[in-house]
This record gives sequence, C-alpha cells and structure tokens, in this order.
Amino acid sequence: DTGVSQDPRHKITKRGQNVTFRCDPISEHNRLYWYRQTLGQGPEFLTYFQNEAQLEKSRLLSDRFSAERPKGSFSTLEIQRTEQGDSAMYLCASSAWAAGAYEQYFGPGTRLTVT
Amino acid sequence: KQEVTQIPAALSVPEGENLVLNCSFTDSAIYNLQWFRQDPGKGLTSLLLIQSSQREQTSGRLNASLDKSSGRSTLYIAASQPGDSATYLCAGYILTGGGNKLTFGTGTQLKVEL
Repeated sequence: DTGVSQDPRHKITKRGQNVTFRCDPISEHNRLYWYRQTLGQGPEFLTYFQNEAQLEKSRLLSDRFSAERPKGSFSTLEIQRTEQGDSAMYLCASSAWAAGAYEQYFGPGTRLTVT
Repeated sequence: KQEVTQIPAALSVPEGENLVLNCSFTDSAIYNLQWFRQDPGKGLTSLLLIQSSQREQTSGRLNASLDKSSGRSTLYIAASQPGDSATYLCAGYILTGGGNKLTFGTGTQLKVEL
C-alpha cells in the first residue's frame, strides 16, 4: 500500500464552476478526514467519516460544499459555484486503530486555484 | 476556543546546530499531539505522535516531548541539516463526533543554512 492518494493534484477553475476532488485512503482505514489549508496557515478541519457515515462537519463547510464516502472506501469533496475564497490546499487523511491510537496519515493534497 | 500556538514563526540556523521548536495549546481536551513536516506546496509528513500516556517520543535526530499539565510540546532537532528546511506543524487530537480531529498550529518555518 502506497499511502493516501488524492486526485487531481492541482485544479484551476473559473469562479462559479463546480469542482470535485477524490481521496483514496490507506487500505482498510475506516476513518477519513478532509482539511483545508490556506497560505501561511495550518490546516483546518472540514469533515470526518467513519466508514460511509459522515459524523461531523465543520461550520467552515458551507452549503456549497458536500462530501461523500459511498462505500466506505474512497471519498469525494465537491465544491459548487466556486468563489475566489475557496482557493486553498485541500488535504485528505485516513486512520485506523493501531498501537493505541487513531493516528492520521495525510495525502499530498489538491491545490485549488479559483480565478 | 481551541488554539494551538507555535513559536517562533520562522527560524534560520546554521548547519549542525541543535534547535527546539515550541508548541503550546490552551485546550485541555487535547489528548494526543503530533508533529508534522510540510515542504512547500506539498502534503504533511508525520514525524512523531505522542500519546497522552507518554511524555516523549524519539525518531533518529528528532525528539518530541509533551507536558499536558502546562499545555506545551517541544520538538528537538539534533545536528540540523539543510534537508531539514521545511515548515513544522504541531497538531492536537480532540475527540469529536465519536471520533477525533486535529487542530493545528500555524507552523514554524525552518531554514538550515550551509
């Protein structure tokens, strides 16, 4: 297993368009997380899945954002009607219980630029 | 409000120097703490996870400590090398929604010069 993967790595879109990102977690990791990181800041939590159930959503996740994990494996994050303020790095992480903790492992991220 | 603070925001040192990066947190709900490295434009690489029952963890030239009572963690890097140049982030685990989430500091940008 090669770790968490994300696709695409970079996305440039025009304001008002919809975009969708994909995250493939480490095999058999039952927990999956999305974070957003803007320039010069630490990542901020967006949402979290346990298997296919979305158990928490941050207030940062406006109505234009939706995330799914339909079969408890990969996840998608969709942003509708993108705005320039959505420009950021979107990071995915996954975890499973091991050695007494749910340690999170991060993917390479998807950098979104909204023009 | 949950807050994680990292000092200094930026640090430049000559190669070979030992250095300490600081992380403080105000929320007692933070139970585990993890240090990450981030290279420009890249994702996060996990360095060390310190569980609440532990006081420190070591990996190679890295040593991280955790003092929950004072809300502090430090990352010690021995014999720094130019390849250590990156942004270092600390993040605390908080229980939420039947699981957990990470709350991050803003990072320390480290430059190790030849």
